[in-house]
Amino acid sequence: GENVEQHPSTLSVQEGDSAVIKCTYSDSASNYFPWYKQELGKGPQLIIDIRSNVGEKKDQRIAVTLNKTAKHFSLHITETQPEDSAVYFCAAPSQGGSEKLVFGKGTKLTVNP
Amino acid sequence: NAGVMQNPRHLVRRRGQEARLRCSPMKGHSHVYWYRQLPEEGLKFMVYLQKENIIDESGMPKERFSAEFPKEGPSILRIQQVVRGDSAAYFCASSPQGGFRYEQYFGPGTRLTVT
Repeated sequence: GENVEQHPSTLSVQEGDSAVIKCTYSDSASNYFPWYKQELGKGPQLIIDIRSNVGEKKDQRIAVTLNKTAKHFSLHITETQPEDSAVYFCAAPSQGGSEKLVFGKGTKLTVNP
Repeated sequence: NAGVMQNPRHLVRRRGQEARLRCSPMKGHSHVYWYRQLPEEGLKFMVYLQKENIIDESGMPKERFSAEFPKEGPSILRIQQVVRGDSAAYFCASSPQGGFRYEQYFGPGTRLTVT
């Protein structure tokens, strides 16, 4: 089955700096990689995703890059703002006929004003 | 367009009682997934359902836990004879019928506390 590793577990940046969170996955057949943002007391919110036929996707201040050869993908947040503070989770699909997602353990991002 | 709805948002049960968690998927979505989140942990898959069918329950504990998604009404996650270790946040996600089912949208969760 799929195994997803996420680093770092905590990340603290100054407002305006960039933040990068990295994930690796084990199943080379995986073809979809979402990122979720979870604020305290709320459910995970899908913020961006990438499919394996592209190497990079951008949406305003956030971007995701995918390296299929190395089996890793990264979330990049530029010009960070205090409201970006949250826990971010990466995920990958579990193969074998089920549509379940396997999640990383999360990165707690703190943006200091 | 309302998102995924879950209720109750908070549930307190004594050991041995039953917990019933409800999930209404987004409009137009017919696939429902339940995940459990322990404190400081990621989300762990429990069960995947379509209307009147359990597709994958490989993440469900073998005893005390059950799930359903009837033809009418919300999906229900039921935990019988709760124990302290069941305390967690339980999230429901849904994906569209005929769409890309890995694209899952989550509800606000039910935080279960067992005393």
